[in-house]
Amino acid sequence: GAVVSQHPSWVICKSGTSVKIECRSLDFQATTMFWYRQFPKQSLMLMATSNEGSKATYEQGVEKDKFLINHASLTLSTLTVTSAHPEDSSFYICSANPGGSYEQYFGPGTRLTVT
Amino acid sequence: GENVEQHPSTLSVQEGDSAVIKCTYSDSASNYFPWYKQELGKRPQLIIDIRSNVGEKKDQRIAVTLNKTAKHFSLHITETQPEDSAVYFCAASLRNQFYFGTGTSLTVIP
Repeated sequence: GAVVSQHPSWVICKSGTSVKIECRSLDFQATTMFWYRQFPKQSLMLMATSNEGSKATYEQGVEKDKFLINHASLTLSTLTVTSAHPEDSSFYICSANPGGSYEQYFGPGTRLTVT
Repeated sequence: GENVEQHPSTLSVQEGDSAVIKCTYSDSASNYFPWYKQELGKRPQLIIDIRSNVGEKKDQRIAVTLNKTAKHFSLHITETQPEDSAVYFCAASLRNQFYFGTGTSLTVIP
């Protein structure tokens, strides 16, 4: 149990375009989902916390107009990178918390390359 | 948010020896401390965790200790094996948000 999926697993896009990444909890309902960014050989950096039906909370330094997060249901959160630039190239990982537990279940990640 | 520091950044040990990774955190309100193993290009895998009301937890070759007063926690791996080679991250949970350490690249030399 407690499986989280992400789609796509990798994506290449051109500079200036937008990319949407989906995060789904497959066998549980997630009251809260989280989005992380991981640059090569670096740590996971929390970008934002997403609660179903409400606006996401962004960490300091993360542009909310650039990284649009929508958590429309208890099993789906999406991250849209708008007007992507090469410096947005990174590994994006989501996680989900089912509530009633401290644990977060991580998705497999999405490798974004902006050319 | 929380500030988590992790040391060392790289660690090489001989197979069968022990490995210790240390982390410190800044906010005394953090109440949950998981450790993750991450292989290249993959999701982090939880290997052990500890809550703030517990001082030590052990699971076979892996143990974690927590010192709330000093705000530090450590991962201990005994009898290391080559398959333990990976990057390890500590994290501190503050208001259910995870803040990760900078990672330790562990190499176990056969």
